[in-house]
Amino acid sequence: GIQVEQSPPDLILQEGANSTLRCNFSDSVNNLQWFHQNPWGQLINLFYIPSGTKQNGRLSATTVATERYSLLYISSSQTTDSGVYFCAFAITGTASKLTFGTGTRLQVTL
Amino acid sequence: GAGVSQSPSNKVTEKGKDVELRCDPISGHTALYWYRQSLGQGLEFLIYFQGNSAPDKSGLPSDRFSAERTGGSVSTLTIQRTQQEDSAVYLCASSLVSGTGAGQPQHFGDGTRLSIL
Repeated sequence: GIQVEQSPPDLILQEGANSTLRCNFSDSVNNLQWFHQNPWGQLINLFYIPSGTKQNGRLSATTVATERYSLLYISSSQTTDSGVYFCAFAITGTASKLTFGTGTRLQVTL
Repeated sequence: GAGVSQSPSNKVTEKGKDVELRCDPISGHTALYWYRQSLGQGLEFLIYFQGNSAPDKSGLPSDRFSAERTGGSVSTLTIQRTQQEDSAVYLCASSLVSGTGAGQPQHFGDGTRLSIL
């Protein structure tokens, strides 16, 4: 089956710092999404980004489908950014059920 | 509605009882998905609906789990004779048209936290 790897698994940042989260996948994917799961368990859509680059405020994401990776950039981190970040994708040619990575657990401290 | 709505938000029940979880997708979304997240774990796929049909049930962990969708809208996930290992957060998502080769973003509800005593 498809392999997905997220790195780093855990990350501690001081408020105001920048970070890059990475998602590697081993097969051609049909779509790719980034989610933030907040401490209350809510899963929040960040980006739908099968390819290219998108930006939304302090967050941006880039997917290079031909090289099978995606990056999530967080700039000027805030304590509200804490939580777990998941990448998820559907395998090309199958129904669009999402396969989730194992996540990056981010803690932003004052 | 504006987002995916799930009910109940929390459910505590005794081992051996049956439970029903409900999902009301975003209006107009033909695809609906159920996922499960066990404590400290990632999300695992359970079942996918396109309209009222379920072309992919591959993630249902046992025959105690079933799901249906009526009118191309609301879906219920039923767990019979619950076991402690069924304790998890059950998440529902919906998207616009889905199918092979078509990608659409999935939008998730807040989930139902199920605890089996």
